[in-house]
Amino acid sequence: AQSVTQLGSHVSVSEGALVLLRCNYSSSVPPYLFWYVQYPNQGLQLLLKYTSAATLVKGINGFEAEFKKSETSFHLTKPSAHMSDAAEYFCAVSDLSGNQFYFGTGTSLTVIP
Amino acid sequence: DAGVTQSPTHLIKTRGQQVTLRCSPKSGHDTVSWYQQALGQGPQFIFQYYEEEERQRGNFPDRFSGHQFPNYSSELNVNALLLGDSALYLCASSFRPTRVNYEQYFGPGTRLTVT
Repeated sequence: AQSVTQLGSHVSVSEGALVLLRCNYSSSVPPYLFWYVQYPNQGLQLLLKYTSAATLVKGINGFEAEFKKSETSFHLTKPSAHMSDAAEYFCAVSDLSGNQFYFGTGTSLTVIP
Repeated sequence: DAGVTQSPTHLIKTRGQQVTLRCSPKSGHDTVSWYQQALGQGPQFIFQYYEEEERQRGNFPDRFSGHQFPNYSSELNVNALLLGDSALYLCASSFRPTRVNYEQYFGPGTRLTVT
């Protein structure tokens, strides 16, 4: 079965600093990979997705992620954190059928002014 | 363009009761998936409906059932509620034929509290 592991349930960065949120996947074949953001009391919003095209994926709000097959990783980065980036971030994997998503346990990002 | 909508927003039920949650997909979408998100956890897949049939199911008991209507909206039913069913229930919609660029749009969720 597919699964993802998010290292670090809580990450704190200073405003303007690099954001790095880690995600490793477990899959026997290259999957579809996603990063979602969840603000308090809201649903999930798609940040970016990897679907076997370019390995460096750019998303909304300045976020990007790089698919590294050799490391089975799909880490999320942003060069400069804003206060508005404070939220819960989820990595997810979908098999090639696209019928079922598997989510990680989430990483809570705090941005310190 | 309306996104995914869910009702009600919040719900409080007693153990043993039954509950029905509702979801309307994003305009143009024909597939609805349901997820359970316990506090502090990531969403867990319950099941997916397409063409009014359950197409795939996660590891949830038969107490969880669903339905999809001809207009693509969907209901999630939970019978014999347990305290452990307290969670945020998320609905996500997608357009099945574009599976290559598969993407789900999530609603704001229904917060269910079982006492």
